[in-house]
Amino acid sequence: DAGVTQSPTHLIKTRGQQVTLRCSPKSGHDTVSWYQQALGQGPQFIFQYYEEEERQRGNFPDRFSGHQFPNYSSELNVNALLLGDSALYLCASSLALLGETQYFGPGTRLLVL
Amino acid sequence: AQSVTQLGSHVSVSEGALVLLRCNYSSSVPPYLFWYVQYPNQGLQLLLKYTSAATLVKGINGFEAEFKKSETSFHLTKPSAHMSDAAEYFCAVVFSGNTGKLIFGQGTTLQVKP
Repeated sequence: DAGVTQSPTHLIKTRGQQVTLRCSPKSGHDTVSWYQQALGQGPQFIFQYYEEEERQRGNFPDRFSGHQFPNYSSELNVNALLLGDSALYLCASSLALLGETQYFGPGTRLLVL
Repeated sequence: AQSVTQLGSHVSVSEGALVLLRCNYSSSVPPYLFWYVQYPNQGLQLLLKYTSAATLVKGINGFEAEFKKSETSFHLTKPSAHMSDAAEYFCAVVFSGNTGKLIFGQGTTLQVKP
């Protein structure tokens, strides 16, 4: 049983560019959440998708957007990249129930130059 | 504001010694509580979780945590540290009314000395 997978593993972009990160949830899961982890910090919640809609959002600007597909996979898009967007982006999948465990993928490390 | 605090950004123990990593949360309503471990250049792996069934929760790799409502704490312990336990540990909370939104502490780096 495959766990949560993310692609790409590493990415280098320049300021002002746009980036798309991808996530496939654990088999049987219907909810995908995205987190940003800056170096030396705990992960910060970006947003969560369920039934192809954004269900909840953290304190991130509109430059951060996402999408969930009918097969439950998800994309995270970041426009107009800033140096401060450099971080490890983690995807987590779960069932849509309160308190359910979120299982994390290995992350995508984004470097903005 | 709802928050999670991990006391001690770095903890160093000798191999075989007790491991104690501290976590406190701010809420009058008991939340769902989790401990995750992160090894270098990897994602997060679940160690254990509390979901109101039992106050003492046992997890993987010999770790356990005790939920204390009166102290709003969920400290992680392991009786005997192993070199392979060296990693970053995160306490995370889902507060009531925030379905699925994990709020993480800042993390504690555990160093295990031979």
